[in-house]
Amino acid sequence: DTGVSQDPRHKITKRGQNVTFRCDPISEHNRLYWYRQTLGQGPEFLTYFQNEAQLEKSRLLSDRFSAERPKGSFSTLEIQRTEQGDSAMYLCASSLRVSGGLGEQYFGPGTRLTVT
Amino acid sequence: AQSVAQPEDQVNVAEGNPLTVKCTYSVSGNPYLFWYVQYPNRGLQFLLKYITGDNLVKGSYGFEAEFNKSQTSFHLKKPSALVSDSALYFCAVRDMNNNDMRFGAGTRLTVKP
Repeated sequence: DTGVSQDPRHKITKRGQNVTFRCDPISEHNRLYWYRQTLGQGPEFLTYFQNEAQLEKSRLLSDRFSAERPKGSFSTLEIQRTEQGDSAMYLCASSLRVSGGLGEQYFGPGTRLTVT
Repeated sequence: AQSVAQPEDQVNVAEGNPLTVKCTYSVSGNPYLFWYVQYPNRGLQFLLKYITGDNLVKGSYGFEAEFNKSQTSFHLKKPSALVSDSALYFCAVRDMNNNDMRFGAGTRLTVKP
């Protein structure tokens, strides 16, 4: 399967703990996005990378959220000091930036976070 | 900032009948518009997009969407629904000046045999 993969698929953690999620994009895609999706809502944009550069991070929900893409391939999303309100599905997507066009985003299956 | 509205939480149609899932948008510039579908326990799948050109866009699985600038709408359509089309459908919009894609809240389509 050469699609976007995310790990883990499910994470249960206690309030106050740190969690880290991983996303592996489609190999030739240079853009990578993170979204959060809560029940009954559409995905909410958090941040995105072009190669290793994080070009937009103002939509990250708080300073407890951070993301990296150190070598321009896989990415990690970390949430520090988790709160119950962080419980959601965290989605990763990737796309190919094409000159003069707009590559559609391909989504991974998501990581479902439950904070107890 | 751009936004999307999907006015119907639920759409029910009988198999073989035409279906429409509605979407309206708001952007400051020219819009990039998308439809995605989400099946249970699976990631969002791209259906189609409008960037420029013909107002009628054809996509995967026989779906199409019509861009209407005057009504700021981008409704998803299919001439003959299948039971397997039952899923959650999301409309999304991007302003051409940024990479922040905004999704609607989704419409659950149920196609009954």
